[in-house]
Amino acid sequence: DAKTTQPTSMDCAEGRAANLPCNHSTISGNEYVYWYRQIHSQGPQYIIHGLKNNETNEMASLIITEDRKSSTLILPHATLRDTAVYYCIVRDAGNMLTFGGGTRLMVKP
Amino acid sequence: GAGVSQTPSNKVTEKGKYVELRCDPISGHTALYWYRQSLGQGPEFLIYFQGTGAADDSGLPNDRFFAVRPEGSVSTLKIQRTERGDSAVYLCASSSPPGTYNEQFFGPGTRLTVL
Repeated sequence: DAKTTQPTSMDCAEGRAANLPCNHSTISGNEYVYWYRQIHSQGPQYIIHGLKNNETNEMASLIITEDRKSSTLILPHATLRDTAVYYCIVRDAGNMLTFGGGTRLMVKP
Repeated sequence: GAGVSQTPSNKVTEKGKYVELRCDPISGHTALYWYRQSLGQGPEFLIYFQGTGAADDSGLPNDRFFAVRPEGSVSTLKIQRTERGDSAVYLCASSSPPGTYNEQFFGPGTRLTVL
């Protein structure tokens, strides 16, 4: 079973920041938070991951609360091409990814 | 460089038939994963290879499903006596080095339809 809870869907205006929340209240100390996204008819694409510190890369920023029970993925300037399903995944030392239902983000012009 | 490729992109078969789905991972990636994605749901793990051996096959739904990776590169997922419930997109991913916390790169998937 997925260890995360995400809203089913969200809308965002083009050019604005998209903030996607994720709850993972049962996360344990050695588990990382990963984010993937899946654009229609494509395979999932890695975005970012973190353990406890905030992380930033060319795609997004990941903000993890101090207690690590929740996190937020931030797309700073959403474009129409960011329309996708975003999956928040808690991953331990096991190798597989356990996907939940994800958040369907719709970026609107 | 080339990403993960999967063939065929679409496969339509009849109930009871046998199918093979192929995955070509990124060159040099030692870890390979198969997932299955039903309509409207997230991908579900099937099996993980480290090199030639199946390190974890706990996600295979039953003994009709089998996967091989004989030379540690290309993998084939085999489904015997297909059922309509097997209809889904079958995704392959690879990562390197051996994948504890490393990014998995996914292929575009094979859409299997069982009539």
